[in-house]
Amino acid sequence: AQTVTQSQPEMSVQEAETVTLSCTYDTSESDYYLFWYKQPPSRQMILVIRQEAYKQQNATENRFSVNFQKAAKSFSLKISDSQLGDAAMYFCAYRSAFNSGAGSYQLTFGKGTKLSVIP
Amino acid sequence: ETGVTQSPTHLIKTRGQQVTLRCSSQSGHNTVSWYQQALGQGPQFIFQYYREEENGRGNFPPRFSGLQFPNYSSELNVNALELDDSALYLCASSLAGRQAGELFFGEGSRLTVL
Repeated sequence: AQTVTQSQPEMSVQEAETVTLSCTYDTSESDYYLFWYKQPPSRQMILVIRQEAYKQQNATENRFSVNFQKAAKSFSLKISDSQLGDAAMYFCAYRSAFNSGAGSYQLTFGKGTKLSVIP
Repeated sequence: ETGVTQSPTHLIKTRGQQVTLRCSSQSGHNTVSWYQQALGQGPQFIFQYYREEENGRGNFPPRFSGLQFPNYSSELNVNALELDDSALYLCASSLAGRQAGELFFGEGSRLTVL
């Protein structure tokens, strides 16, 4: 079974600064997807960024980028130019690329990192 | 394009009771999955429905059951409620066939069991 570990329960960052959230995972599979989701107090999980394991290039989405180290099974999220609206719980998630049945989209989540942004 | 909507947003039940939570998937999505998120934890996969059949299940007992309807909306039923069932229940929809499998989540139903 796959596991996802987020070792930082809480982080804080000064507005406009950069912060990196850590995530490690354990899997015996070679093909999979990794995600970072944001959950603000409104509770709705919002996809921040995704990474396909077969791609060596790190994904970027505007101010968000990842450092994907497949051999180390590490998947960190970097938020640049932090904004007050970035304050939220951030969850790292894993999904196998193997479709057991039609469209199996089971995600395995970490416990999350609570990010605070200081004005 | 409508997003994923869930009802009710909050509810309180007592031990032993039964509860039904509802979810309308995002327009055009044919797959729905349910997650349980206990306080301070990440979401845990309960099960997934595709074409009105369960096609994936996490480590949850049979008293957690579900339905998917022809319009792709879904229900999560929990029988014989226990205190540990208190959690946020998240519904997520997706479109089968997209390899990246992006899930779109609703805002959840907060269940408190007393």
